Amino acid sequence: NAGVTQTPKFQVLKTGQSMTLQCAQDMNHEYMSWYRQDPGMGLRLIHYSVGAGITDQGEVPNGYNVSRSTTEDFPLRLLSAAPSQTSVYFCASSYSEVGGPKDEQYFGPGTRLTVT
Amino acid sequence: AQSVTQPDIHITVSEGASLELRCNYSYGATPYLFWYVQSPGQGLQLLLKYFSGDTLVQGIKGFEAEFKRSQSSFNLRKPSVHWSDAAEYFCAVRGSQGNLIFGKGTKLSVKP
Repeated sequence: NAGVTQTPKFQVLKTGQSMTLQCAQDMNHEYMSWYRQDPGMGLRLIHYSVGAGITDQGEVPNGYNVSRSTTEDFPLRLLSAAPSQTSVYFCASSYSEVGGPKDEQYFGPGTRLTVT
Repeated sequence: AQSVTQPDIHITVSEGASLELRCNYSYGATPYLFWYVQSPGQGLQLLLKYFSGDTLVQGIKGFEAEFKRSQSSFNLRKPSVHWSDAAEYFCAVRGSQGNLIFGKGTKLSVKP
């Protein structure tokens, strides 16, 4: 049971390049989400998914695209990287969006992205 | 709108001293509240959570938090801080989108 995995751990992009951050979970969780963490800002929601084929926008979705073709995977695509997207990206998953006493969001180890 | 405020950006305490990190939330219904810890360069680890019931919640690593509805607070406490507790601490409330709404974090430094 690997939990939530993210690849790559580090990435440097040039402005205008595109790339995909990978996220996978092996806990059969329906709910998956992407956050970005910036100094002094905490974590902010980019996109989320409540199940395969269903995605929606969070607080800061501009410049990012997601899809959810399987329960396990939830990749985040940067369409045309900008320096403002320099950040640490975390993927998270949980059983459902409703939550409850036994539910918990599990976080991946993060991807540190630098856009020059 | 739902929000979380952590008033203290940075706190320094001496090893062995007690610790209290403040958290205030804004949420219409009964909130689901969480405290996470993040060591430098690492991911987030859940310390404890509150859903309902007993307002004093025990967590890992000797931490506890108390939910006070009248004050909209969920402060984190530890009676005796260890050097290994130096990290950044995030309070969060579960949002309507199933996500977590985080405070901006409190960085804890521990003096020997």
